[in-house]
Amino acid sequence: NAGVTQTPKFRVLKTGQSMTLLCAQDMNHEYMYWYRQDPGMGLRLIHYSVGEGTTAKGEVPDGYNVSRLKKQNFLLGLESAAPSQTSVYFCASRFDRVDNSPLHFGNGTRLTVT
Amino acid sequence: RKEVEQDPGPFNVPEGATVAFNCTYSNSASQSFFWYRQDCRKEPKLLMSVYSSGNEDGRFTAQLNRASQYISLLIRDSKLSDSATYLCVKGGATNKLIFGTGTLLAVQP
Repeated sequence: NAGVTQTPKFRVLKTGQSMTLLCAQDMNHEYMYWYRQDPGMGLRLIHYSVGEGTTAKGEVPDGYNVSRLKKQNFLLGLESAAPSQTSVYFCASRFDRVDNSPLHFGNGTRLTVT
Repeated sequence: RKEVEQDPGPFNVPEGATVAFNCTYSNSASQSFFWYRQDCRKEPKLLMSVYSSGNEDGRFTAQLNRASQYISLLIRDSKLSDSATYLCVKGGATNKLIFGTGTLLAVQP
């Protein structure tokens, strides 16, 4: 049982380049999330999705776009990378919005923008 | 003020010690709270949910104090393998979970 899988694990981009981070989950979860984690800032929500075909903005959405064309996949796009987007990105999913439904995280993508 | 605040630590304790972390929160509409554990350079993993009546899982005890708006995590008989960052998480009626910045625990041999 793979759970939540993120690709790639590491990436270095030059300023202005674009890339897409892929998140895949095999638990049939409705809700999926993209977070970034920076030192001293904790985990901050970028975008989230409550189901196939739906997306919504989180706390820090600027500079990112997302798509949820299939229930199992949630893509995070950077159209024009900036050094401020250097971070560790985590995808997460949960079964539903019931309060005690825990988040399951992928193992992260370390992105450096030079 | 942040919605969830934690002492970043580090908490340096010897093996076998008992250690406790607190986490304060604002916006008391939240109904659910969690503790996650994050090892260095790894993803967060659910440690335990926090229930109003308090709950225990082996050496770990979680408490919720709604009047004073804080939750706590108590670890008894600390092991070297308990060394990690402990994240306090507040849930609620929305889809969003709010994470604290974490408390670093280092258990010394």
